[in-house]
Amino acid sequence: GAGVSQSPSNKVTEKGKDVELRCDPISGHTALYWYRQRLGQGLEFLIYFQGNSAPDKSGLPSDRFSAERTGESVSTLTIQRTQQEDSAVYLCASSRVLAGVRGETQYFGPGTRLLVL
Amino acid sequence: SQQGEEDPQALSIQEGENATMNCSYKTSINNLQWYRQNSGRGLVHLILIRSNEREKHSGRLRVTLDTSKKSSSLLITASRAADTASYFCALGGSNYKLTFGKGTLLTVNP
Repeated sequence: GAGVSQSPSNKVTEKGKDVELRCDPISGHTALYWYRQRLGQGLEFLIYFQGNSAPDKSGLPSDRFSAERTGESVSTLTIQRTQQEDSAVYLCASSRVLAGVRGETQYFGPGTRLLVL
Repeated sequence: SQQGEEDPQALSIQEGENATMNCSYKTSINNLQWYRQNSGRGLVHLILIRSNEREKHSGRLRVTLDTSKKSSSLLITASRAADTASYFCALGGSNYKLTFGKGTLLTVNP
């Protein structure tokens, strides 16, 4: 695709409900990252996927958070039993290969703005 | 993992002036990237500088890296109102993550 897409753009939910956020990476990008950004803050790493390798889940804040990715395609981030502190923008990024030490550029989606009432 | 710290937190200038933002970090890096974010949405990659480089240019952007001082600066010359955004430095260390700072909010007044 032309760029990384995310859906929904905005999500309002009630405390205790589950939400599912979706990310479509750029075609051919093997690496996919999820970040959380609270208002006025920087990006907080949540999880990354690389091809069929085991994901790095070290940034997930609690067991209420989980993510899946099938191969090199779509990823979903699920938050169970949402809390008000989960309110944030959730950003997805993809890169040709894993970033970090390799100096790869990350391409970001527009994010999903989640509000938990 | 370490986090870059941008300075200043906020910067307000007039159109046509230059804007300089700084990023400091604490441990060794492999590369450092700068990203821009408009209106709290997706980030856009601006420029990457590797640890063995000292300076890079891209259009009106100039990035420097001083590994001895563990700092980088981003200079935007001849700023425009459209440059108004948050600017983040991202550190590429020894793993496969990019660590982002809290950003500098740049406002360019017409």
